[in-house]
Amino acid sequence: GAGVSQSPRYKVAKRGQDVALRCDPISGHVSLFWYQQALGQGPEFLTYFQNEAQLDKSGLPSDRFFAERPEGSVSTLKIQRTQQEDSAVYLCASSLVGRGGETQYFGPGTRLLVL
Amino acid sequence: AQTVTQSQPEMSVQEAETVTLSCTYDTSENNYYLFWYKQPPSRQMILVIRQEAYKQQNATENRFSVNFQKAAKSFSLKISDSQLGDTAMYFCAFYSYNNNDMRFGAGTRLTVKP
Repeated sequence: GAGVSQSPRYKVAKRGQDVALRCDPISGHVSLFWYQQALGQGPEFLTYFQNEAQLDKSGLPSDRFFAERPEGSVSTLKIQRTQQEDSAVYLCASSLVGRGGETQYFGPGTRLLVL
Repeated sequence: AQTVTQSQPEMSVQEAETVTLSCTYDTSENNYYLFWYKQPPSRQMILVIRQEAYKQQNATENRFSVNFQKAAKSFSLKISDSQLGDTAMYFCAFYSYNNNDMRFGAGTRLTVKP
């Protein structure tokens, strides 16, 4: 079946602009994760959903970052009033069931550049 | 808080030879999982191998194996018979039962030379 998909693949935004990044997880996967990957670094956790419930948002760097998964499938990460430090690759991952050491399947990422 | 350290930013190996990537971690947890993920250039991250902390036996997946030393909090990845397609960034990652987040190291860039 299809893997995790993300759109857009690339996004250039002017500082102060709002952006929305979309993630389509593998069908039937309960858990969904968002990560931020700065250039040359490992991914850093942003937030976690189990179905439509956002169970952990401790990694969101500021209140300009907001994520939702209203129907328990597609998720959107929104960044308001983007800043240059928001430039990074945003990765989405999904896993079959809930918490635990399951394999997370990653999407290709959205590369965000804030000018 | 858990931290994951990969002390080798870059490594290279000749095709068909063996290479070992290092990873150490710091945690007070007893139950957790460890992973190695591979991120090829401009391609998405995929799982290489996974180890449950309660299992003493080291995980193996074809040419990939780990040396898990729980007391030393060490989790190295051995790649045997290296192939050109193994060229990628390799990330060590830690997941505990008490947290929802996966903690990644900074990565090791591996180049396999023909």
